[in-house]
Amino acid sequence: RKEVEQDPGPFNVPEGATVAFNCTYSNSASQSFFWYRQDCRKEPKLLMSVYSSGNEDGRFTAQLNRASQYISLLIRDSKLSDSATYLCAVNNDMRFGAGTRLTVKP
Amino acid sequence: DAGVIQSPRHEVTEMGQEVTLRCKPISGHNSLFWYRQTMMRGLELLIYFNNNVPIDDSGMPEDRFSAKMPNASFSTLKIQPSEPRDSAVYFCASSFWGEDEKLFFGSGTQLSVL
Repeated sequence: RKEVEQDPGPFNVPEGATVAFNCTYSNSASQSFFWYRQDCRKEPKLLMSVYSSGNEDGRFTAQLNRASQYISLLIRDSKLSDSATYLCAVNNDMRFGAGTRLTVKP
Repeated sequence: DAGVIQSPRHEVTEMGQEVTLRCKPISGHNSLFWYRQTMMRGLELLIYFNNNVPIDDSGMPEDRFSAKMPNASFSTLKIQPSEPRDSAVYFCASSFWGEDEKLFFGSGTQLSVL
């Protein structure tokens, strides 16, 4: 089993839709969790950290479920500019999931 | 701050040649990571350093790959000899470990081995 696994995608949604991604991790001792965004032919960039209590940044909400060992990212009112690949990263050695491709269409 | 700087941006070489990728982390960061990204395998961690010391190199594919960090401001990833299956985008990233652990990536090196 991979240490970090993500929904395979791709997700194709219309503008304004709500979309959610999940990411599961195998190491129960993991402490740090992050979501990164990667545009085509660009480097990954930090989108948001994931805190135990859950956190929100505008249209984006990240949550952590330690019991089931997964993190989630919810995007509300999706925009065309949200089209990208979303990568989750877990723990001190920063291993990434394979990424989930999102395309928001007009 | 200039961010993480990688060079070269693109490298095209022939099988069997030595390839050296370079990285300058963000000043003040104490951890440096090398990743490889392909469509098939995603973003793979190759090796990371903490305070210039290699901590985990379990992701290094084989002995043809080696990485060094002689000081806090410079790291290299070397492939010798290179093979076509090494073709990928290689990213370097740095962070301040012990604080927020957020990674900042360089623009990557697109390596093509013919």
